[in-house]
Amino acid sequence: EAGVAQSPRYKIIEKRQSVAFWCNPISGHATLYWYQQILGQGPKLLIQFQNNGVVDDSQLPKDRFSAERLKGVDSTLKIQPAKLEDSAVYLCASSLEGAKNIQYFGAGTRLSVL
Amino acid sequence: GDSVTQMEGPVTLSEEAFLTINCTYTATGYPSLFWYVQYPGEGLQLLLKATKADDKGSNKGFEATYRKETTSFHLEKGSVQVSDSAVYFCATTDSWGKFQFGAGTQVVVTP
Repeated sequence: EAGVAQSPRYKIIEKRQSVAFWCNPISGHATLYWYQQILGQGPKLLIQFQNNGVVDDSQLPKDRFSAERLKGVDSTLKIQPAKLEDSAVYLCASSLEGAKNIQYFGAGTRLSVL
Repeated sequence: GDSVTQMEGPVTLSEEAFLTINCTYTATGYPSLFWYVQYPGEGLQLLLKATKADDKGSNKGFEATYRKETTSFHLEKGSVQVSDSAVYFCATTDSWGKFQFGAGTQVVVTP
């Protein structure tokens, strides 16, 4: 079974530029999550989707971050414009609708904002 | 709100040594408890879990027991290997599947 796929693996941009990350969850997983993991910290939930609807985006900085999952499968997370403090690893995870406490994580995208 | 506190790393030990990583939590209700492991360059992988008080989760020689009275979920392994070198995260989740992770503990096992 294929795992959660994320791309790119690494991205370096300058502050005020835009960046987008892509995630393809495990087939059949209705729930998709984006986390931000700052160096030395645990992952922090940014947004949770159930199919193509947003369940929780309370921790998403909506002035600069946006995410979509239009067809209820893959998802993109965008930052526009990026700030230095956005440097982090962005993790995508997915789970079955009936087993939200078992989340499968992708390898993440490491973002460096210079 | 919910929070998870785990011991700071790095924890450096020799192969075949005993490993303990302390984890305590604060939560409303009755959370499920997890340990995730992150190997270099990879995403988080579920190591073990426990869903109710006194449950013991175990996997790959690692164990942790859900202690409601002390709000703890300490991770232990009796004899570590070099391949156990990784970052270990303690986490809680509520009934809606919202995770709260600790800051992670880096473990370095030397031959």
